[in-house]
Amino acid sequence: DTGVSQDPRHKITKRGQNVTFRCDPISEHNRLYWYRQTLGQGPEFLTYFQNEAQLEKSRLLSDRFSAERPKGSFSTLEIQRTEQGDSAMYLCASSSPPGSVGLAGELFFGEGSRLTVL
Amino acid sequence: DAKTTQPPSMDCAEGRAANLPCNHSTISGNEYVYWYRQIHSQGPQYIIHGLKNNETNEMASLIITEDRKSSTLILPHATLRDTAVYYCIATTNFGNEKLTFGTGTRLTIIP
Repeated sequence: DTGVSQDPRHKITKRGQNVTFRCDPISEHNRLYWYRQTLGQGPEFLTYFQNEAQLEKSRLLSDRFSAERPKGSFSTLEIQRTEQGDSAMYLCASSSPPGSVGLAGELFFGEGSRLTVL
Repeated sequence: DAKTTQPPSMDCAEGRAANLPCNHSTISGNEYVYWYRQIHSQGPQYIIHGLKNNETNEMASLIITEDRKSSTLILPHATLRDTAVYYCIATTNFGNEKLTFGTGTRLTIIP
C-alpha cells in the first residue's frame, strides 16, 4: 500500500456543474477525513468518517456538498452546482483509531484534488 | 483546540539547524502539540508530537517549555527538501478528526 490516493488530481469545471472526488485511504485505516485548502491558508476540516459512519460535519460543508463512504473503504466527495468560491484543494486523510499500539495517531494525507471553477 | 501563533516565515541556511517556534499560551493540560509540514503541491505530512516531555524522532526534535505555553520544532541539519510550510497544532485528541491548521510558518532553506 503506497498511501492515501486521490482522484482526479486536477479538475476544471464551469460554474453550476457537479464534480465528484474519490479518496482511497490506507487499507487498514478505519478513519477517513476530508479537508479543504485555499491559497495561502492551512487546511480546513470538512468532515470525517469512522468506517462507514459520518461522525462530524463542519459548517463549511454546505448542503451542496455530500460525502459518502458506503463500505467503509473508499470515500467520495460530491459538490453540486459548483461556485467559484469552491475553487480549492480538497485533501483526504486517513488514520488508525486513537490509542492504536505503536502509532502516533497521526493523519496520513493524500496529495489532494485541485478544483478550479470557471 | 488552543490557538497557536507562529511566525509567517523564516529562512535557514542549508546544513544548519532550523528552529521553528510556536506559541500556545492557552493550551490545556490534556492537549498535545502536533507538528505537520506541507511541501508545495503535496498534502500535509506528520512530523512529531508531544505532551510534556521533549521528543525526538528521525525527522525532528520537539522542545516544549516547562509551562507548556510554547514549543520549538528543531530540524537538526536542514536540507533544501525541508523547504515547506510548517504547522503547529494543539489538540486534545489522539488520532483526532478536526485539526486546526492555521497559516503556519513558511520555512525556506537557503543553499
